[in-house]
Amino acid sequence: DTEVTQTPKHLVMGMTNKKSLKCEQHMGHRAMYWYKQKAKKPPELMFVYSYEKLSINESVPSRFSPECPNSSLLNLHLHALQPEDSALYLCASSQYRDYEQYFGPGTRLTVT
Amino acid sequence: DQQVKQNSPSLSVQEGRISILNCDYTNSMFDYFLWYKKYPAEGPTFLISISSIKDKNEDGRFTVFLNKSAKHLSLHIVPSQPGDSAVYFCAASASGNTGKLIFGQGTTLQVKP
Repeated sequence: DTEVTQTPKHLVMGMTNKKSLKCEQHMGHRAMYWYKQKAKKPPELMFVYSYEKLSINESVPSRFSPECPNSSLLNLHLHALQPEDSALYLCASSQYRDYEQYFGPGTRLTVT
Repeated sequence: DQQVKQNSPSLSVQEGRISILNCDYTNSMFDYFLWYKKYPAEGPTFLISISSIKDKNEDGRFTVFLNKSAKHLSLHIVPSQPGDSAVYFCAASASGNTGKLIFGQGTTLQVKP
């Protein structure tokens, strides 16, 4: 089983809203990731968690706040986003860092 | 600075024939390479990987070749099937246990029946 699940599938939010994206895996993976993907572009890494600790933050604006409550869950808290933040947000996990990453289906976010 | 490049935005092949997707990289520190397939409105699906200690890795219809001196890798799909039509991303990482993948721009493969 190589399934990573993400909720919601679609999200529309205003610039003053606060929302959260959720990601879950039950593969026992110890590394989890958030990526952002704009149309016709490759995924861009945002954050890496390893053993539930943040290990990489790719200079992401503070309006994006990641959280790893346990080894199976990864959240991305969103606040005061801009329209240019509209994108597909992908979660991934891997057994450890430097192993192949398995992606979820993504959350399509639209900021109005 | 694009460290991983897929210079062909698209490729069209006939069903049953070989599909060859190419990828070049510039960072000599990269030592682990992966190929992902992506359908519209879905997340990327891991296909196959190769470590820099190898020059070939095979999994069913998919084979990845690595030429370290040329900083070039390719994905061969034989035989190609219509269901293979998707966007293919090449990705690379450098050991050091960071987990950071650098993706190419992707190549859209169309397999015609």
